[in-house]
Amino acid sequence: DIQMTQSPSSLSASVGDRVTITCQASQDISNYLNWYQQKPGKAPKLLIYDASNLETGVPSRFSGSGSGTDFTFTISSLQPEDIATYYCQQYDNLLLFTFGPGTKVDIK
Amino acid sequence: QVQLQESGPGLVKPSETLSLTCTVSGGSISSYYWSWIRQPPGKGLEWIGYIYYSGSTNYNPSLKSRVTISVDTSKNQFSLKLSSVTAADTAVYYCARQILGGGGNYYMDVWGKGTTVTVSS
Repeated sequence: DIQMTQSPSSLSASVGDRVTITCQASQDISNYLNWYQQKPGKAPKLLIYDASNLETGVPSRFSGSGSGTDFTFTISSLQPEDIATYYCQQYDNLLLFTFGPGTKVDIK
Repeated sequence: QVQLQESGPGLVKPSETLSLTCTVSGGSISSYYWSWIRQPPGKGLEWIGYIYYSGSTNYNPSLKSRVTISVDTSKNQFSLKLSSVTAADTAVYYCARQILGGGGNYYMDVWGKGTTVTVSS
């Protein structure tokens, strides 16, 4: 099974800060990596697919990069409405999905 | 646009079978894959399994022995059954649509709001 790790597990930043979250796969997953935002009490929302493609309607301050085993998710200028937990998710060659453990983002 | 709605009992007794249905509205269930995902209280997301509209399935190996996902295209619904439940199966259960991205990657672009299932006697 492919394991996913995320770091940090939580972070606190100021409005306007650049925020970066990393996600690492235990083996090469090409660009089969997606990012979701989950606000408290709500369903997850797709932000980034195929590692770097922005979902329609998602603000451009969100971006993703990487391939193989190492991926990065960035919020270029943190906004109050970005308070949420962010999950990476991979889809592997056994046609299985695995989510990362999540990164909780708070406002300092 | 497509909307998903989970339904089913909110309370299930230990050792019994959890049964949930996801109703797809605003679009057809055909030509897509559909997933179930769960989230225990205060914890992360766990993928349970998916079904293609034609009926082919794939399950999380950790749950495979207890999970059955089925589809009813005439009702635009798909369903989850999880047998022999314990307190560890207490969670919010989500259904979601899977979309094929470039190069073979799948991602979940539409989610239901989720339904809470508690396993308790």
